Amino acid sequence: AQTVTQSQPEMSVQEAETVTLSCTYDTSESDYYLFWYKQPPSRQMILVIRQEAYKQQNATENRFSVNFQKAAKSFSLKISDSQLGDAAMYFCAYRATSGTYKYIFGTGTRLKVLA
Amino acid sequence: DAGVIQSPRHEVTEMGQEVTLRCKPISGHNSLFWYRQTMMRGLELLIYFNNNVPIDDSGMPEDRFSAKMPNASFSTLKIQPSEPRDSAVYFCASSFFWEQFFGPGTRLTVL
Repeated sequence: AQTVTQSQPEMSVQEAETVTLSCTYDTSESDYYLFWYKQPPSRQMILVIRQEAYKQQNATENRFSVNFQKAAKSFSLKISDSQLGDAAMYFCAYRATSGTYKYIFGTGTRLKVLA
Repeated sequence: DAGVIQSPRHEVTEMGQEVTLRCKPISGHNSLFWYRQTMMRGLELLIYFNNNVPIDDSGMPEDRFSAKMPNASFSTLKIQPSEPRDSAVYFCASSFFWEQFFGPGTRLTVL
């Protein structure tokens, strides 16, 4: 069965600095999607970034980028130039490309941004 | 598009009462998911539908929980009878292909 692990329950970063959130996963599939979702205090789940496993190039969305290491089954999120509005829970998620439509979520990392 | 719509946004009820949560997915999306989020257990998938058909309900905690999707634009999650341990935020999400969009959630409090 697929699993997603976020080993950092909480992280802090100084405003304007860079922070990296870790995520590892386990799967026997060769093709899948990986996602990072943000959940601010409003509790709305917002998709931050996605990565297709067949793509070697790391995805980037403005200040957000990922480091996807397929062999190591690692999918970390880097937030550059951190802003106060980045403070939120961040969830890593996995979905296979076939067979099941289930998304497997990690337990989340709470990010605090210090002014 | 209005996004995924959930109602009510907040529900307070007493133990033993029936609770019905409602969800309208994004038009054109063919998969719908119900999640529950608590501090203790995190985000749990309860059930998901594809083309209105329940595919996996293994996350439904017990027989008190039931979900239906009578058509492509509407789904309900019912808890009968409700218990205090059902207090949580319930999310509905819909997707087409890979991207999943979440609704704003319903905060349920069972007294």
